[in-house]
Amino acid sequence: DGGITQSPKYLFRKEGQNVTLSCEQNLNHDAMYWYRQDPGQGLRLIYYSQIVNDFQKGDIAEGYSVSREKKESFPLTVTSAQKNPTAFYLCASSIGGRPNYGYTFGSGTRLTVV
Amino acid sequence: LAKTTQPISMDSYEGQEVNITCSHNNIATNDYITWYQQFPSQGPRFIIQGYKTKVTNEVASLFIPADRKSSTLSLPRVSLSDTAVYYCLVADYGGSQGNLIFGKGTKLSVKP
Repeated sequence: DGGITQSPKYLFRKEGQNVTLSCEQNLNHDAMYWYRQDPGQGLRLIYYSQIVNDFQKGDIAEGYSVSREKKESFPLTVTSAQKNPTAFYLCASSIGGRPNYGYTFGSGTRLTVV
Repeated sequence: LAKTTQPISMDSYEGQEVNITCSHNNIATNDYITWYQQFPSQGPRFIIQGYKTKVTNEVASLFIPADRKSSTLSLPRVSLSDTAVYYCLVADYGGSQGNLIFGKGTKLSVKP
């Protein structure tokens, strides 16, 4: 079955640590996205990539970094510069770099700072 | 991007029909209207998309009046499992922009 896999489901980070969230898709989608969701809030865009080796900042990119070396993979690194990283992180993909056919989301990674 | 406005929350009972209305006064000619459903601790799921008049699938119906300044998601005979947050989005699906904007959505609570 095609889909998006996010791992791990739960992640704990110590103060000052960098952590990387994995996102893999086998849908052959061109575009991939990272969103952050805080309790009771909507989704806020962190980064997105429409093609391999290219990505753009979203609304809240500070303290985050991404790479897109393969079409299937779009990992997100939460750096120590992100002062309030505790949140639910969602990865999504879409066909052709445009949301024409809707987004497919992963099941999310819940990151907690300890 | 057209801004959308929808109720923060709604309550219903099992077996009732639920209608969630979304306002998008500044919708552009090329914009489509899409609804997503999100359960707790899961990613949003595409429900339905439309441009004008009425669209129906196995999950819901979407009603869009002629002026397209609002839309209504209709869920027939809801069950407890329909308790979720529902997002209304408006975006230019023919344009070059590469992302969707999700507001806070409408939290639907279905009671027995």
